[in-house]
Amino acid sequence: DGGITQSPKYLFRKEGQNVTLSCEQNLNHDAMYWYRQDPGQGLRLIYYSQIVNDFQKGDIAEGYSVSREKKESFPLTVTSAQKNPTAFYLCASSRLPSASGGAYNEQFFGPGTRLTVL
Amino acid sequence: QKEVEQNSGPLSVPEGAIASLNCTYSDRGSQSFFWYRQYSGKSPELIMFIYSNGDKEDGRFTAQLNKASQYVSLLIRDSQPSDSATYLCAVNSGNDMRFGAGTRLTVKP
Repeated sequence: DGGITQSPKYLFRKEGQNVTLSCEQNLNHDAMYWYRQDPGQGLRLIYYSQIVNDFQKGDIAEGYSVSREKKESFPLTVTSAQKNPTAFYLCASSRLPSASGGAYNEQFFGPGTRLTVL
Repeated sequence: QKEVEQNSGPLSVPEGAIASLNCTYSDRGSQSFFWYRQYSGKSPELIMFIYSNGDKEDGRFTAQLNKASQYVSLLIRDSQPSDSATYLCAVNSGNDMRFGAGTRLTVKP
């Protein structure tokens, strides 16, 4: 079965801790994304990557870090510098946007990780 | 700032009725448009995409796009209680995908 997996499903973080959220895909997609969702709000882009060993900041990258050492994997670290990390974190993947701009690059989402700060 | 606006709802329709969900966007360069369904506590699930002006039908769902008015909509015919969810509009131009905050739909039996 092709798809995107995220782990853990629930994560609890103490103040001052760094935590890492896992995201793996076997869809052979080049692009991967991390979003944050807060209650009643849309998805906000944290980071994205279109190729191994390269990634770009999204709208709310402060307090987060990522790596892309393998095409299949795009882990997100929530650092202690992120002051309000409690949220639902979603990983997505897609084919690369086409040269014509945007076609055929629908994003598919993993099941999400719900992070709570204790 | 590229914006995608949706009425947050809740939108309530009786079972069997047509539900109409609307979305406007600010970036005239946007080229592809997506509707996602998100059940409470779950991740978004793609249900429709549209690239060209006009209507696109898939089963009970019809997406409508009007690029001149910067408007995209989703119609759900014969609404079922299982359609009760939040519907997210997403708009893409090149590398940039923007999501609306979603419209919460409730279908009452």
